[in-house]
Amino acid sequence: AQTVTQSQPEMSVQEAETVTLSCTYDTSESNYYLFWYKQPPSRQMILVIRQEAYKQQNATENRFSVNFQKAAKSFSLKISDSQLGDTAMYFCAFMNLTKGTSYGKLTFGQGTILTVHP
Amino acid sequence: DTGVSQNPRHKITKRGQNVTFRCDPISEHNRLYWYRQTLGQGPEFLTYFQNEAQLEKSRLLSDRFSAERPKGSFSTLEIQRTEQGDSAMYLCASSLTWTGGSNQPQHFGDGTRLSIL
Repeated sequence: AQTVTQSQPEMSVQEAETVTLSCTYDTSESNYYLFWYKQPPSRQMILVIRQEAYKQQNATENRFSVNFQKAAKSFSLKISDSQLGDTAMYFCAFMNLTKGTSYGKLTFGQGTILTVHP
Repeated sequence: DTGVSQNPRHKITKRGQNVTFRCDPISEHNRLYWYRQTLGQGPEFLTYFQNEAQLEKSRLLSDRFSAERPKGSFSTLEIQRTEQGDSAMYLCASSLTWTGGSNQPQHFGDGTRLSIL
């Protein structure tokens, strides 16, 4: 079974600054995806960024980038030039791609509440 | 793309009553997932369908829970004899899985918030 751990319950950052959210995971699988999802208050879960485990290059999406350290099983999210609209709960999630009982479903961490201050 | 639609948005019911939620996935998506999210926690997997076939159920899904996806389109999640511990947000997600096995990201609905009195 996979586990995902987010050790920062809450984080805050000033508008326009950079913040990094941490995530570690545990798995014996070798073929998987990692995701960061954003859930604004009372709103829908939105995909922020995805990383395929077989790719060494870190994924980037505009102001969002990841630091994927496969050997350390670490997957942090960096948000640059933070905006007020980035305020949300952020979830790290794991998806196993090896056929078996956990294939294709997401395992989420506990979440980190990020507040961006003006 | 109209997104994943869930109804109702909120449901308040008395303990012991039955409730049913509906999820309409993105039209071309063949996979549909149900998750449960309690306050301040990450979603937990309940079950998923590929087309009309229910392929996996979590041990969180007790005998009081049943899910269906007739004809591989919308899905319903029913909870019988509701208990206080069933109070949560129930999230539905859908994705497209190619025959080659590549998994596309899951798109989530707004969820149905269940409150048991």
